[in-house]
Amino acid sequence: AQSVTQLGSHVSVSEGALVLLRCNYSSSVPPYLFWYVQYPNQGLQLLLKYTSAATLVKGINGFEAEFKKSETSFHLTKPSAHMSDAAEYFCAVIGAGGSYIPTFGRGTSLIVHP
Amino acid sequence: EAGVTQSPTHLIKTRGQQATLRCSPISGHTSVYWYQQALGLGLQFLLWYDEGEERNRGNFPPRFSGRQFPNYSSELNVNALELEDSALYLCATRTGERNQPQHFGDGTRLSIL
Repeated sequence: AQSVTQLGSHVSVSEGALVLLRCNYSSSVPPYLFWYVQYPNQGLQLLLKYTSAATLVKGINGFEAEFKKSETSFHLTKPSAHMSDAAEYFCAVIGAGGSYIPTFGRGTSLIVHP
Repeated sequence: EAGVTQSPTHLIKTRGQQATLRCSPISGHTSVYWYQQALGLGLQFLLWYDEGEERNRGNFPPRFSGRQFPNYSSELNVNALELEDSALYLCATRTGERNQPQHFGDGTRLSIL
């Protein structure tokens, strides 16, 4: 069984501030983890993925995430928020065994204030 | 490389009608997933097709159905439309490897009047 919890349905930051979006997962087998971004009226776009290589993963648009097995976390960060980062962010997990269906979190809406 | 394409972009129907949504995968992708994204409800898994077969379905009634064609494209059919079927329907495709991410289309916005 696998599940994803994204803490905070909304996160608000000022432009230039650190962005931290939280994702905790549970998986009975080693997980593969993904972060996606969704802009209004668009589909989901892959930001980055963890597939058991380096625990610190760098993605597009300056985002990165760190896989912490002991904390079962895969939080998404960006050092300096930009207005264009305002969007919905989804964390997803799929186990290395079992179901081929990824489980998505409920999403976190990132709001960026000028 | 062409991305995942979905058609139509928007679809307006009335209660009781039937809707057909289409998805063309990225070249080389054999798996197709369908999701419903209703306002405030996140992504709800609908159906998964792989190599032409339905592999799994989510907790949706049988009036939601679909198929995958030999070229790996797919269509989603929704019969006896209800008001609560109004949502963005997203198609995602990927290769057969479990560690590969899904690639999403921009969706079909289905509105039921």
